[in-house]
Amino acid sequence: KNEVEQSPQNLTAQEGEFITINCSYSVGISALHWLQQHPGGGIVSLFMLSSGKKKHGRLIATINIQEKHSSLHITASHPRDSAVYICAVKKKTSYDKVIFGPGTSLSVIP
Amino acid sequence: EAEVAQSPRYKITEKSQAVAFWCDPISGHATLYWYRQILGQGPELLVQFQDESVVDDSQLPKDRFSAERLKGVDSTLKIQPAELGDSAMYLCASSPTGGNEKLFFGSGTQLSVL
Repeated sequence: KNEVEQSPQNLTAQEGEFITINCSYSVGISALHWLQQHPGGGIVSLFMLSSGKKKHGRLIATINIQEKHSSLHITASHPRDSAVYICAVKKKTSYDKVIFGPGTSLSVIP
Repeated sequence: EAEVAQSPRYKITEKSQAVAFWCDPISGHATLYWYRQILGQGPELLVQFQDESVVDDSQLPKDRFSAERLKGVDSTLKIQPAELGDSAMYLCASSPTGGNEKLFFGSGTQLSVL
């Protein structure tokens, strides 16, 4: 079983919809990252969180450490939000090992 | 804003040839990661450096892959000989030391082995 899982694998939404992407993990972590990857490969860090909730513009990320679960929400989705969203966790090791989930491919249709 | 530099952006090679990728992390970032990403999947860690030392290379196919970061700054990942299954995106990322720091990624090298 993968240590980091995401759902759904693929998601299609109409412009304006509220979107939720989920991440669950099975290891002890020191932090969790949400990343965005556009076609062509570039990866951008959206959030890094170890507790609670963070908000940036239309994006909101939450984490529940006890339940080993995180969610990424996009409000008022727009076609430019179309990308792959990846959850990654920093395992509690002597060094900062980061492992990635498989990603969620989001397509927002006008 | 400072960026992680990677080169080349694209590389086409024939199987059994040698290839090398270069990464220059953001200045001052002690942690450097090399990841391989196959289309449709999440990145897989190949090797992680802390300064010039390898701290994790458990997933690096050491019979053909090697990585170095001699002065604890830039890094080179080499494949010799390349195989068809090595076709993938090779991503470099860096992070300051300290545990809970953001990750910064380069644009990646897209490798095609023919």
